Amino acid sequence: GAGVSQSPRYKVAKRGQDVALRCDPISGHVSLFWYQQALGQGPEFLTYFQNEAQLDKSGLPSDRFFAERPEGSVSTLKIQRTQQEDSAVYLCASSLVTGLAGGDTYNEQFFGPGTRLTVL
Amino acid sequence: DQQVKQNSPSLSVQEGRISILNCDYTNSMFDYFLWYKKYPAEGPTFLISISSIKDKNEDGRFTVFLNKSAKHLSLHIVPSQPGDSAVYFCAASAVDNFNKFYFGSGTKLNVKP
Repeated sequence: GAGVSQSPRYKVAKRGQDVALRCDPISGHVSLFWYQQALGQGPEFLTYFQNEAQLDKSGLPSDRFFAERPEGSVSTLKIQRTQQEDSAVYLCASSLVTGLAGGDTYNEQFFGPGTRLTVL
Repeated sequence: DQQVKQNSPSLSVQEGRISILNCDYTNSMFDYFLWYKKYPAEGPTFLISISSIKDKNEDGRFTVFLNKSAKHLSLHIVPSQPGDSAVYFCAASAVDNFNKFYFGSGTKLNVKP
């Protein structure tokens, strides 16, 4: 169980419903990231945690989106009053390195399999 | 506005030949670049990276080239294998916010046996 895990893998919600998506990062990884991937597009940054602190939430599309990581490990992305445009794959990633480490490899982010959210 | 662009949605290559995937970026503050590979129903997997102090990085069959003046990078796969068939994403981060990755829209590579 060394990888990033996400649950549920698939979620169907009716418009207006609240949803909660869970991410279990790799043990010991300090940084945690959430991305939104629309069909045919690349992942788009939503938010970033270093331990329990949410250091960047500039990518959250609206105040209906809320993320937390209260104990610095598991994180939850909550979407309130879901809309059809929220339909996407939500990816979680974690990283061990939080700063420049020099050389060619630093800040590699390890991704989970994603949660595919469909809002009807 | 997309800061990282992959203008070829798909690429088809014969097994054993070279695959060249291209990526362009607009932000001159980007100083670290990565390639990720994604299979269906899985998350992206890190492949190779390069920092802006270099113009080439090689790892086995994979080589990434960076042309800073042209704001262009490419991934070369030699020789291509059927197992390389996947979607490849280019990503970049900036020196003032290295934790925020900007991804391109991906190129689907098909390596034919």
